[in-house]
Amino acid sequence: DGGITQSPKYLFRKEGQNVTLSCEQNLNHDAMYWYRQDPGQGLRLIYYSQIVNDFQKGDIAEGYSVSREKKESFPLTVTSAQKNPTAFYLCASTQELRDYGYTFGSGTRLTVV
Amino acid sequence: DAKTTQPTSMDCAEGRAANLPCNHSTISGNEYVYWYRQIHSQGPQYIIHGLKNNETNEMASLIITEDRKSSTLILPHATLRDTAVYYCIVSFLGGTSYGKLTFGQGTILTVHP
Repeated sequence: DGGITQSPKYLFRKEGQNVTLSCEQNLNHDAMYWYRQDPGQGLRLIYYSQIVNDFQKGDIAEGYSVSREKKESFPLTVTSAQKNPTAFYLCASTQELRDYGYTFGSGTRLTVV
Repeated sequence: DAKTTQPTSMDCAEGRAANLPCNHSTISGNEYVYWYRQIHSQGPQYIIHGLKNNETNEMASLIITEDRKSSTLILPHATLRDTAVYYCIVSFLGGTSYGKLTFGQGTILTVHP
């Protein structure tokens, strides 16, 4: 079945360490997105990419970095510069937002201790 | 992107129709209305979207008023599994059809027996 895979589901890291969250899709979608969700809050856009080797900052890009070397993959690195990294991270993709919605992964819950 | 206003929470009896309202009074002519839902600790699930006309699919119906300033998502026969946070989003697709979606806090729908 086609879909988006985020791994791992739960991730624990020590403060000051960089950590990379994986997002892989086999839907042949061009556009991919990273969102952050805090308890009781809506989703906030971190970064998005509409094509390979190109990406744009979202609303809360500070302290995060991404790459888009392959169409299928859009990894997110949470750097030590991110002041409050503990959150639920969601990856999404779409081919034609006008015709389809986003497809979301199941999320990665990052806890920094 | 136009801002949306949704009630914080709603209740519905199992088997009855759930009608979730959304106000988007500043929507512009080329903005779509999208609905998603999120069950606790999972990725959001696309439900339905529309531009002007009413839409129906296997999950729900979307009724958009003639002036497009508000819409209603209808779950015709709510079940306990429909308990979730429901997000109403409007989005301008711009020069590409990929766009990006801004998620507010949504409506917590509780379906009770």
